[in-house]
Amino acid sequence: AQSVTQLDSQVPVFEEAPVELRCNYSSSVSVYLFWYVQYPNQGLQLLLKYLSGSTLVKGINGFEAEFNKSQTSFHLRKPSVHISDTAEYFCAVIISYNTDKLIFGTGTRLQVFP
Amino acid sequence: DAMVIQNPRYQVTQFGKPVTLSCSQTLNHNVMYWYQQKSSQAPKLLFHYYDKDFNNEADTPDNFQSRRPNTSFCFLDIRSPGLGDAAMYLCATSRGAGASSYEQYFGPGTRLTVT
Repeated sequence: AQSVTQLDSQVPVFEEAPVELRCNYSSSVSVYLFWYVQYPNQGLQLLLKYLSGSTLVKGINGFEAEFNKSQTSFHLRKPSVHISDTAEYFCAVIISYNTDKLIFGTGTRLQVFP
Repeated sequence: DAMVIQNPRYQVTQFGKPVTLSCSQTLNHNVMYWYQQKSSQAPKLLFHYYDKDFNNEADTPDNFQSRRPNTSFCFLDIRSPGLGDAAMYLCATSRGAGASSYEQYFGPGTRLTVT
């Protein structure tokens, strides 16, 4: 069965420091990969996605992610975080033969301290 | 701006009293989804509509029903809410199979409290 693993439930970091949020997936078929952000009491907003092509994907708010097929990973990075980046981050995949269904990871809470 | 709208943003209902949550979209997307999200958890898919075709997740309780009267609107009915149904309910849309992006667009959610 397909699954998404976000090993870090919480990541504390100081403002202006770099951050990496880890995401690994398991699937025997092709996948499409997404990172969503959720601010308190709000819906999910797409940060970036990988469908095909270049494995380095740039998204909104200065975030980027790199698809690594051999390691089945799609880690999210930002070189310098802001207080406003404090939120919940969800990695998700769509399986190529069932494109209507998102499979979410359990989420990582990014807490940025001044 | 094209968007997904959920009303109300906050809903309080009594134990056992039926409640309906609504979602509308101006994106003209084929697919509409309902998710349940409990505190500090990932969204859990309840069901989705591809056009008029209803797709229920195997573990969605019978207490949850949905209606999609037209392309723009979708409703979530909870027939007899229990305390365990208190959660954030998220509506989302996507273009559907054959589209190039597969992205889902989420509404702001309705937070349901059961007293």
